[in-house]
Amino acid sequence: IQLTQSPSSLSASVGDRVTITCRASQGISSYLAWYQQQPGKAPKLLIYAASTLQSGVPSRFSGSGSGTDFTLTISSLQPEDFATYYCQQLNSYPLTFGGGTKVEIK
Amino acid sequence: EVQLVESGGGLVQPGGSLRLSCVGSEFTFSSYSMSWARQAPGKGLEWVSAISGSGGSTYYADSVKGRFTISRDNSKNTLYLQMNSLRAEDTAIYYCAKFNGASSSRWFDPWGQGTLVTVSS
Repeated sequence: IQLTQSPSSLSASVGDRVTITCRASQGISSYLAWYQQQPGKAPKLLIYAASTLQSGVPSRFSGSGSGTDFTLTISSLQPEDFATYYCQQLNSYPLTFGGGTKVEIK
Repeated sequence: EVQLVESGGGLVQPGGSLRLSCVGSEFTFSSYSMSWARQAPGKGLEWVSAISGSGGSTYYADSVKGRFTISRDNSKNTLYLQMNSLRAEDTAIYYCAKFNGASSSRWFDPWGQGTLVTVSS
């Protein structure tokens, strides 16, 4: 199952609303997770089951979708949110990741 | 706090072998599937392999099938990745991750800090 993330990069300002999309090549129900990766660090889980916020993750992050189309939204971008974001499908093997979306400072 | 610590990375020649280890703590290791993922320099994440809690089921990406072997020793809370016939394109940071699951959801959390594998002559 291929995951296509868009955009591959974006520039935004602090306080902006940011939306990242992830499209699966076939239906994956809600077996989708989102991760944030800061430079030089391991990925960190943000959202699982497409829309469940991981404990400790700020509520400005939200996820939606099911089937083939998914969205990660950051309601008000904060300085610590500048990072690369990946979606991952866990519906079936081989598991796959999207290509990533790099969120940069405008 | 649940923690995963990888080790075993290093420089190896093409065609060589390396074994990575990942020690888990503060959770019942044998109750969870575990997984390896990797990230080539400047590239995105790539899933590599997964193993069930008992070790009875294993899964591989096509890119490593037949060359890599995942295993675990639940008495030592340790996950392994035996990598043979290494190629330059296997150069990456290798992460282990705890594979969590519920009735209608699955996810990787946490991830280890990663160990760097460099395949070069």
